[in-house]
Amino acid sequence: EVQLVESGGGLVQPGGSLRLSCAASGFTFSTYNMNWVRQAPGRGLEWVAFITSAAATVSTVYYAESVKGRFTISRDNAKNSLYLQMNSLRADDTAVYYCATTFRSSSNFWGQGTLVTVSS
Amino acid sequence: DVVMTQSPLSLPVTLGQPASISCRSSQSLVHSDGNTYLHWFQQRPGQPPRRLIYKVSNRDSGVPDRFSGSGSGTDFTLKISRVEAEDLGVYYCMQGTQWPQTFGQGTKLEIK
Repeated sequence: EVQLVESGGGLVQPGGSLRLSCAASGFTFSTYNMNWVRQAPGRGLEWVAFITSAAATVSTVYYAESVKGRFTISRDNAKNSLYLQMNSLRADDTAVYYCATTFRSSSNFWGQGTLVTVSS
Repeated sequence: DVVMTQSPLSLPVTLGQPASISCRSSQSLVHSDGNTYLHWFQQRPGQPPRRLIYKVSNRDSGVPDRFSGSGSGTDFTLKISRVEAEDLGVYYCMQGTQWPQTFGQGTKLEIK
């Protein structure tokens, strides 16, 4: 069974940092490009970051403008894990953060999400 | 950025009747590789999103055939042939042709 399990969310003060993790199982994680997508309370979906698979000739990352310079996406294929390092957090970063496999392929998996609350 | 505009934003439907959601992009979604990376997602209340349709018209595994996608260029449609109670939720289109990937605002499907 395919599983993506996010962890690391919680309450953090403005300006603080958090590191989210996404543990993958049930599929060959290293061969999949990966995304982080977030959803603010009561709002729609916002793509956050993307990283290429181990098969990519050159490792490539992309970020939404709203997080560029503050968030860093990374992966450890040996641990079947995806990460999102979030620094300089702001109130408008409050959201449920989902990890998801690439949207371009014939299969697409999502985790259940982890809630990040930025508040003093 | 490519702006994705869905309509309607709220869609009250009668069970057993068809439903249709429109999604328009501010730029053509035809990629240089010839593919059109326009996808549809369903999000039921309290659940993570689930992809229904990828590359305009391809149904994901396990998605009922009452769901279909169509369109080209900048104009796309998700159709449900006969709405069932389990279809309640919010539907999003998303483009993956250009960076950043962008979602539509969402269309809330409500049962009358």
